Amino acid sequence: AQSVTQLDSHVSVSEGTPVLLRCNYSSSYSPSLFWYVQHPNKGLQLLLKYTSAATLVKGINGFEAEFKKSETSFHLTKPSAHMSDAAEYFCVVTDNTGKLIFGQGTTLQVKP
Amino acid sequence: ETGVTQSPTHLIKTRGQQVTLRCSSQSGHNTVSWYQQALGQGPQFIFQYYREEENGRGNFPPRFSGLQFPNYSSELNVNALELDDSALYLCASSRGLAGGMSGANVLTFGAGSRLTVL
Repeated sequence: AQSVTQLDSHVSVSEGTPVLLRCNYSSSYSPSLFWYVQHPNKGLQLLLKYTSAATLVKGINGFEAEFKKSETSFHLTKPSAHMSDAAEYFCVVTDNTGKLIFGQGTTLQVKP
Repeated sequence: ETGVTQSPTHLIKTRGQQVTLRCSSQSGHNTVSWYQQALGQGPQFIFQYYREEENGRGNFPPRFSGLQFPNYSSELNVNALELDDSALYLCASSRGLAGGMSGANVLTFGAGSRLTVL
C-alpha cells in the first residue's frame, strides 16, 4: 500500500532563508508524487509533480523537489523564503486507481 | 478557463440531518473526485466519478454517496450526519482518471465546502 509521512508538522524560517519540508513515501511500485500547497480559504494548488522522468523536479514559485529512491524521500526545497510562502504543504502519492494519498501536512511559518 | 467551483462555502447542520454539496468541474475536465479534510489533517479520498459512474471509493460508509451529471458537475450527499462529519469537503476535477501510474492527470481543487455538524 502507498503512504506518505511528512516528518515535520511545523517549520518556521526567516524570510530570505532556505526552506526544507521533508517527506518520505512508501510504495509497492514506482510512485507518482506531488506537493500541494493550501493557503487559508483557498483550494489546494499543485506546486510540482514527479512522474518517473527527471528526479529533480522544478515547480512554481521557486520550489523544487528531488526524488531519491534509495532514501524513499521527496523533500521540498526553496532557496529563499518569502512571506507569501506561509501556508500548509502536503506531500501526496497516488495509487494505481487514481486515488491521492495525502500526508498529514506541514505548516510553514515565515518570520519577517 | 474557469476553475473548480463549490457550493455552499459554509453550512451548519445538526446531527441526523442530510446535506448535499455541489461542484462544478473545470472546463474540459470529465472526472470529479471528492475528499474530506478534517481539521488539522490531510484530505482523505471519498470517491471519484468518471463518465457518471463511481470509479473508486475510499474508506467511507454508504451514507456518503455521489452523483455526476452529463455536464460533469457533481454532488456529494451525506445522510444521517454525525458530529465527526464536520470537515472541509474538497472537490477536484481532472481530464481523465486522476493520478494513475503516470500521474499525468493532475487534479484541480476547489476551495471547499466547510460543513459543521452540531
